[in-house]
Amino acid sequence: SQQGEEDPQALSIQEGENATMNCSYKTSINNLQWYRQNSGRGLVHLILIRSNEREKHSGRLRVTLDTSKKSSSLLITASRAADTASYFCATSGTGANSKLTFGKGITLSVRP
Amino acid sequence: DVKVTQSSRYLVKRTGEKVFLECVQDMDHENMFWYRQDPGLGLRLIYFSYDVKMKEKGDIPEGYSVSREKKERFSLILESASTNQTSMYLCASNHPLKSGEQYFGPGTRLTVT
Repeated sequence: SQQGEEDPQALSIQEGENATMNCSYKTSINNLQWYRQNSGRGLVHLILIRSNEREKHSGRLRVTLDTSKKSSSLLITASRAADTASYFCATSGTGANSKLTFGKGITLSVRP
Repeated sequence: DVKVTQSSRYLVKRTGEKVFLECVQDMDHENMFWYRQDPGLGLRLIYFSYDVKMKEKGDIPEGYSVSREKKERFSLILESASTNQTSMYLCASNHPLKSGEQYFGPGTRLTVT
């Protein structure tokens, strides 16, 4: 069953602009993660935010988590053409294992 | 760096064939996972394994089986390939007690004709 749902499904911006992507989920989580996938390749982990954290930064990435609204956002600042990719949020449940449930993904296009 | 490798990038098989997809990781991870990825459906978990010879069904195990005889290797088996199993297959691994992030292989694009 799909837990994370990303919004929008597709996003097209100009290089240098900021890109904001949203993810909503349904049940309690241990952590929420964002991954990037370049066309036809495997996924690469970007950032993880735990359920007791509200905001986290990594380079040009900023992730927020609102557990009361069961939502997260990923902000990419000063976007580059190389940021063009699909982005997925994934949630890890509160159980004993580290199984992830992925959303359907957001396609980001950054125009040079 | 963690490395997860998959035996093939592209594979074409005929309906009814038995298909083996191999995944190997070099970081001594206990957990290994097999997903399939289809347009509009995202990643869906097929099977996962927490230890050697241990396996658990994911969300869509029908038509698949797995094997984990060694810690570093996790195989996905399509007993009798069907056209609806045409997909991108992704393997991943992680350590259960460290960060929850999963490390992915490059994927195998399987076409069943």
